[in-house]
Amino acid sequence: AQSVTQLDSQVPVFEEAPVELRCNYSSSVSVYLFWYVQYPNQGLQLLLKYLSGSTLVKGINGFEAEFNKSQTSFHLRKPSVHISDTAEYFCAVTAFYGGSQGNLIFGKGTKLSVKP
Amino acid sequence: EPEVTQTPSHQVTQMGQEVILRCVPISNHLYFYWYRQILGQKVEFLVSFYNNEISEKSEIFDDQFSVERPDGSNFTLKIRSTKLEDSAMYFCASSPGRSEKLFFGSGTQLSVL
Repeated sequence: AQSVTQLDSQVPVFEEAPVELRCNYSSSVSVYLFWYVQYPNQGLQLLLKYLSGSTLVKGINGFEAEFNKSQTSFHLRKPSVHISDTAEYFCAVTAFYGGSQGNLIFGKGTKLSVKP
Repeated sequence: EPEVTQTPSHQVTQMGQEVILRCVPISNHLYFYWYRQILGQKVEFLVSFYNNEISEKSEIFDDQFSVERPDGSNFTLKIRSTKLEDSAMYFCASSPGRSEKLFFGSGTQLSVL
């Protein structure tokens, strides 16, 4: 079975500061990794995904994430945040069993609040 | 950009009552999903639906739950006899293919009293 751990439930940060949201996963099989964002009163929106290839993945809104297989991590980063980045961020994983993709397993979420 | 639409945005019901949560997936998508998020907890997978049948379901999706695609555009989740612990935000999602990204709706907040 797969699991996802987001180590921080809340991250407060000042505008224009860098931010890192941490995500660790466990799986005995190959996985795809995702970051989703949920703005207030909206649905989940895909920020970026890692399927294969380069371990540094760039997403929308200036976010990027790095897949580290040895540390089973997929941390999300942004060098300079804006007030509009205030939202809840979810790390998710989906595993492969014999070539067939399983369903998304989500972490508990990290609430990012950006202060002026 | 096309989006997944869910109605209603909020639903309040009495324990033991039946509720139907409605979703309109993106029109050319083939895979449909229901997830839920109990307040303060993880987003949890409930069920996936493809080719007019359930392709996978979690242990949460017991006999009180059912899904249907009644008319080729709507995708519904029915909870037959609601319990207090069914209170959650229910998200519908769709994707064009099995390994494509999921497009989520904005959710239906279900409160069971």
